[in-house]
Amino acid sequence: GNSVTQMEGPVTLSEEAFLTINCTYTATGYPSLFWYVQYPGEGLQLLLKATKADDKGSNKGFEATYRKETTSFHLEKGSVQVSDSAVYFCALNPGGYNKLIFGAGTRLAVHP
Amino acid sequence: EAQVTQNPRYLITVTGKKLTVTCSQNMNHEYMSWYRQDPGLGLRQIYYSMNVEVTDKGDVPEGYKVSRKEKRNFPLILESPSPNQTSLYFCASSFSRQGNNSPLHFGNGTRLTVT
Repeated sequence: GNSVTQMEGPVTLSEEAFLTINCTYTATGYPSLFWYVQYPGEGLQLLLKATKADDKGSNKGFEATYRKETTSFHLEKGSVQVSDSAVYFCALNPGGYNKLIFGAGTRLAVHP
Repeated sequence: EAQVTQNPRYLITVTGKKLTVTCSQNMNHEYMSWYRQDPGLGLRQIYYSMNVEVTDKGDVPEGYKVSRKEKRNFPLILESPSPNQTSLYFCASSFSRQGNNSPLHFGNGTRLTVT
């Protein structure tokens, strides 16, 4: 079946530190991969996506590369800010209609 | 402003008392969906709708009903709520049912507590 596994949080970093949040997936076929971000008290927002192997999604300084050989889609940012504190969800769309399979989420806390 | 609006934001109820959580979108989206978010489990799809009068079960539909009489509205109905339905609920919509180029827009969530 289809599933997404994320590293457990919380992840606590100092401002300007390098961020990596690991995400691996299991899927049949060729899924699209996504990162969503949830700020406190809000719904999820699409952060970035990649629709095929070796694609790199990027937005707001965040990047993730679709690695088919390792079935991974790790999220990275070179220098985090306090405003990046949120919960990050990795997700896949196995294809067909617009259904997302989500990971459990990783809480990021950035302190000054 | 383009948005998905859910009401209420917070709801506390008792076991067995029927309730409805409303969801409305103003983007003329075809596709709408309900998810529940639970700690350690991420978001799981409850029901979805590809268009007016077209609905289908997601991964965790037991204990829920939905309807899609108008394109903009997609209410979630709990006929007889139970404590295991205590959760954070999200409504989402997208322009089309094809996800790769039609990102989901989420509401701000409804936190439901069933005692």
